[in-house]
Amino acid sequence: GAVVSQHPSRVICKSGTSVKIECRSLDFQATTMFWYRQFPKQSLMLMATSNEGSKATYEQGVEKDKFLINHASLTLSTLTVASAHPEDSSFYICSARDPDGSYGYTFGSGTRLTVV
Amino acid sequence: QKEVEQDPGPLSVPEGAIVSLNCTYSNSAFQYFMWYRQYSRKGPELLMYTYSSGNKEDGRFTAQVDKSSKYISLFIRDSQPSDSATYLCAIGKGGGSYIPTFGRGTSLIVHP
Repeated sequence: GAVVSQHPSRVICKSGTSVKIECRSLDFQATTMFWYRQFPKQSLMLMATSNEGSKATYEQGVEKDKFLINHASLTLSTLTVASAHPEDSSFYICSARDPDGSYGYTFGSGTRLTVV
Repeated sequence: QKEVEQDPGPLSVPEGAIVSLNCTYSNSAFQYFMWYRQYSRKGPELLMYTYSSGNKEDGRFTAQVDKSSKYISLFIRDSQPSDSATYLCAIGKGGGSYIPTFGRGTSLIVHP
């Protein structure tokens, strides 16, 4: 089946620094990828839709200047958390729609970000 | 009212039990229904999806949709400790607006 690889799986950074998270579709092309944020015992909250070759579409309330998304190729989308603060600590997950034409989504393994 | 409601649990059952997980939704425009399983500190993995009312079976898992009641269920037969995870329902409208809405997930614990 389709595989989405996400890296790193865990990152700890100091407050004020920026962190980049990569999301790659393996063996299939994804013109659109999705970035989610998940707090403990909470649901997945869609942050933005990443579009290859164009600007990302952000959900209401998500700071575009804080969460920078780049989708430079058909297999790679990156999320950069700029000037991270402790309140940005969370579990970030990317996904892409399954290439089999169904409505299923394949998710990456997630990135646990801790800002200290 | 949230678009998708799901009891977070936790739901604790003995090994071998039949598990019933449920979600309700409010928008009758929803057309497709999915269940994801998420292990701790991992991304969700798709278990099942269906487009219509009725039952869909895959091994020990059965997905059930009742559109008239706006109610979906996932049944797990002969539950195993390895089934311990969080189960999220996801519901979508289809067509161009295919980004699904997720429930908050139900934590399931199957103890030996």
